[in-house]
Amino acid sequence: EVQLVQSGAEVKKPGESLRISCKGSGYSFTSYWISWVRQMPGKGLEWMGRIDPSDSYTNYSPSFQGHVTISADKSISTAYLQWSSLKASDTAMYYCARRAAAGPGAFDIWGQGTMVTVSS
Amino acid sequence: QSALTQPPSVSGSPGQSVTISCTGTSSDVGSYNRVSWYQQPPGTAPKLMIYEVSNRPSGVPDRFSGSKSGNTASLTISGLQAEDEADYYCSSYTSSSTPRYVFGTGTKVTVL
Repeated sequence: EVQLVQSGAEVKKPGESLRISCKGSGYSFTSYWISWVRQMPGKGLEWMGRIDPSDSYTNYSPSFQGHVTISADKSISTAYLQWSSLKASDTAMYYCARRAAAGPGAFDIWGQGTMVTVSS
Repeated sequence: QSALTQPPSVSGSPGQSVTISCTGTSSDVGSYNRVSWYQQPPGTAPKLMIYEVSNRPSGVPDRFSGSKSGNTASLTISGLQAEDEADYYCSSYTSSSTPRYVFGTGTKVTVL
């Protein structure tokens, strides 16, 4: 079964660092870009950025550039999203998603989501 | 980059058809056929329903169809069913400044 499995929910304080993960299985992990998508409570989806797991090339939405870092370890089929200094406004559900096999402009496999809560 | 514009809500009775619009610009929807649609029931991850404007992934009912005209894409749900009640989001590839993707504002579909 093709799937993306994300790490569990996190509760952090402002200023703390965090890295969440997204592990792919059932397919060639290096063949498909992985994107990260934010969904703030009660709000819509926002594309944050993507990574090519084959060479770790990344590009980011201007809204998130410099605020988060996307990385990957192809040896363990895992992509990461990390923050060096969290803010309360980072509280959200974060999804990883695979570029669709049938069409490069879509995301066909999604992780279950990781809820990040930042509160003092 | 602003989000693509969708109506906040649409509703219909079982068996009826509803259409959700997704308006972008000449830098995204108008320039590329990389428009996709996602269904998100409450508390769940999004699910791909339509890719490249009008293509359905395996397993998606043919009640769901997509189209595009100019800077506006549309998703039509024919023969509305109770299980179709969810939030729906469009997405488009955009090359404005740097290659990336943009999502729509989201539409809540209510089955009356």
